[in-house]
Amino acid sequence: DAKTTQPNSMESNEEEPVHLPCNHSTISGTDYIHWYRQLPSQGPEYVIHGLTSNVNNRMASLAIAEDRKSSTLILHRATLRDAAVYYCILRDVAQGAQKLVFGQGTRLTINP
Amino acid sequence: EAEVAQSPRYKITEKSQAVAFWCDPISGHATLYWYRQILGQGPELLVQFQDESVVDDSQLPKDRFSAERLKGVDSTLKIQPAELGDSAMYLCASFQTSGTNTGELFFGEGSRLTVL
Repeated sequence: DAKTTQPNSMESNEEEPVHLPCNHSTISGTDYIHWYRQLPSQGPEYVIHGLTSNVNNRMASLAIAEDRKSSTLILHRATLRDAAVYYCILRDVAQGAQKLVFGQGTRLTINP
Repeated sequence: EAEVAQSPRYKITEKSQAVAFWCDPISGHATLYWYRQILGQGPELLVQFQDESVVDDSQLPKDRFSAERLKGVDSTLKIQPAELGDSAMYLCASFQTSGTNTGELFFGEGSRLTVL
């Protein structure tokens, strides 16, 4: 499984944008980039995913580098409820099984 | 909104005892996963089912752990005997394999196990 690298922790202020980076230099052509987040004492929840083009949804935006070796999850206006561990994961759709391999993630702290 | 149901939410047991966790995935989701999450770490895949068949159990400690999904719907994860190092959150997730899907795994709230 291709590996991702994320900072262990990041801190931001409420109502400001947050940019969470992820490096995946060994990404293959069939790997989708997924982001999940895990709030305290809860299971992970899906945030967003993409392949090549930038993606937007109601929760966040995903900016993917042209060479696909890195990506950035963008929270446009952070709230206290966005404090969580954010996981960047590669999913190989060429494989029959849909398996997600989690790393350590980035612990995001939001200051009031 | 449909959810993945897990029980019990919390379990405290003594080492060498048997423990079982139950998961009911979202209706129609053929793929079911059990993950283990040790405090401070990311979830680790233990076993993956496609309908009633095991697709991947390479990380499941088979000397003490077992998992089944007899009718391809709900699933049970068992530990016997439990050891101190098994203290963790056990997460169940499901995935809609066919039809239109966003590639999204749906996770339950987890079962937190403490082994004394």
